[in-house]
Amino acid sequence: SQKIEQNSEALNIQEGKTATLTCNYTNYSPAYLQWYRQDPGRGPVFLLLIRENEKEKRKERLKVTFDTTLKQSLFHITASQPADSATYLCARKAAGNKLTFGGGTRVLVKP
Amino acid sequence: AAGVIQSPRHLIKEKRETATLKCYPIPRHDTVYWYQQGPGQDPQFLISFYEKMQSDKGSIPDRFSAQQFSDYHSELNMSSLELGDSALYFCASSWRGEGSTEAFFGQGTRLTVV
Repeated sequence: SQKIEQNSEALNIQEGKTATLTCNYTNYSPAYLQWYRQDPGRGPVFLLLIRENEKEKRKERLKVTFDTTLKQSLFHITASQPADSATYLCARKAAGNKLTFGGGTRVLVKP
Repeated sequence: AAGVIQSPRHLIKEKRETATLKCYPIPRHDTVYWYQQGPGQDPQFLISFYEKMQSDKGSIPDRFSAQQFSDYHSELNMSSLELGDSALYFCASSWRGEGSTEAFFGQGTRLTVV
């Protein structure tokens, strides 16, 4: 079946370092992938979208890459700050236009 | 800018009761989605509507139903509530226009079944 998956282990990182999150997909080739941020008890917030023909996309301190050979998208938070602590969700649009999420990775940035 | 509005924010119900959750999408958005998120899980798709017609159905129990009204607001009706229905319920909206792909989520309704 078509799947996207993220590393379910929490990522603890020191302030100022770069956090790198992975989203892997299997059994299909997405036209694009989306990344969302979710804070506890709040709805996901859209961050970035990357299409299959784009190698890299940036938004302020965020960078997303798409490697169709590895079937993987990487999400980087550079110069991380404690305020970046949240769960980050990779998502794909499935049939019917619904979003399917990859499980999410919790990031904790320590001062 | 207007966001997706959900009500109520919190709801406590007893087992076997009925709950109704409301969602007001962003104006001019033509698609509404409902998601359920349990503790430590990512949001799971329940059901969606496009231009007031049901467009897709996910893992939604038969005890749940939803509809979208002429003013585009949507309601999720949940009957015979069970303890396992306790979760955060999110509504999201989007527009299917050219180049528009992201979904905008509401703040959610936290349902507690006791």
